[in-house]
Amino acid sequence: DSGVTQTPKHLITATGQRVTLRCSPRSGDLSVYWYQQSLDQGLQFLIQYYNGEERAKGNILERFSAQQFPDLHSELNLSSLELGDSALYFCASSASVPDTQYFGPGTRLTVL
Amino acid sequence: GNSVTQMEGPVTLSEEAFLTINCTYTATGYPSLFWYVQYPGEGLQLLLKATKADDKGSNKGFEATYRKETTSFHLEKGSVQVSDSAVYFCALTLSGNTPLVFGKGTRLSVIA
Repeated sequence: DSGVTQTPKHLITATGQRVTLRCSPRSGDLSVYWYQQSLDQGLQFLIQYYNGEERAKGNILERFSAQQFPDLHSELNLSSLELGDSALYFCASSASVPDTQYFGPGTRLTVL
Repeated sequence: GNSVTQMEGPVTLSEEAFLTINCTYTATGYPSLFWYVQYPGEGLQLLLKATKADDKGSNKGFEATYRKETTSFHLEKGSVQVSDSAVYFCALTLSGNTPLVFGKGTRLSVIA
């Protein structure tokens, strides 16, 4: 158990819908990262937050957004969903100094 | 840019065989290097890491040595078990609190 929690574990929705994925980092970790794992693209970095502020952006679509709240949990919002958004979405967290990222169990999103 | 290349899978081995999964990287600067493992239906778990040249990371019988001269971080295990069947990802990060760059993953199947 990495100490990073993600909910829900599975999500099935329809095209055009909007969903929210939630992540709670390890206790004390200030950085939260979101990654997408798909069969064709592999593991891709989406976005990073550090202590509530956006720190880095990767291959995140404009339909996707995220935020980190004062209690350090983070949410990833995916809107106008398309079939191609079906993937595993992972959250990871790290402490302020060490660079090891610890991953949550992931949310499997299926868009029908 | 920064990238990680790892050997294509799948790799199928008999129990107690020797395992090598090759990983090479391209990076601007001095990265930290990681191996993560993903067991079927689960999230990513940190297997081992090395943060500077000539460091050796080790865990659960797996080892990898950070070779700056060959920009490599090959994963090895002397005697694999059926329980080692998983997908293995090589990854790098350039400094603390920056996103991970992953290789495409290598699926290992160990048969009894």
